[in-house]
Amino acid sequence: EPEVTQTPSHQVTQMGQEVILRCVPISNHLYFYWYRQILGQKVEFLVSFYNNEISEKSEIFDDQFSVERPDGSNFTLKIRSTKLEDSAMYFCASVGDQGEKLFFGSGTQLSVL
Amino acid sequence: QKEVEQDPGPLSVPEGAIVSLNCTYSNSAFQYFMWYRQYSRKGPELLMYTYSSGNKEDGRFTAQVDKSSKYISLFIRDSQPSDSATYLCAMTRAGGTSYGKLTFGQGTILTVHP
Repeated sequence: EPEVTQTPSHQVTQMGQEVILRCVPISNHLYFYWYRQILGQKVEFLVSFYNNEISEKSEIFDDQFSVERPDGSNFTLKIRSTKLEDSAMYFCASVGDQGEKLFFGSGTQLSVL
Repeated sequence: QKEVEQDPGPLSVPEGAIVSLNCTYSNSAFQYFMWYRQYSRKGPELLMYTYSSGNKEDGRFTAQVDKSSKYISLFIRDSQPSDSATYLCAMTRAGGTSYGKLTFGQGTILTVHP
């Protein structure tokens, strides 16, 4: 079965540093998403991306966050100046134009110290 | 009232038992309903999805949706120790990019012991 690939699996950073989380969605998918899950809490939607622009974003996705699809395969989430509360598991997801099956990657565990 | 409510459990059952997992929701705009399984520190894995009221069966899994009551269920028959995981309900509005904007429940931790 096709899969969404995320790198790195773990990222440790100092507060105030910039981080970039990387994702390779399934190759023929058109809609891309980032979610996060703080330990012990719900999986939360951050942002959706389609046709090279943000379609929708949540209240969590403030000016410190940005997303980019720099080439035909990668999809990135950048956090400009990390805070302690950004520590979470970040999941990338994608779905094709037929909808129905949203596939998630294995996640990047971000730890901000 | 939370948009999606799910009993976090934990739920512990013996191997072979029938497991019932449930979620309620308040937003009538939700049209698609999914169940994901999540192992510790891994990404959610899609088990079942449906968009109509009624039952949908896939092997040992049955998803049930009652839109009039805003209630969804997942039944696992003949549960196995390998079914031990966190089960997440999720739902979304129909169409376009909104489809992938899922609202998740808290997740129910299930343990199936031999």
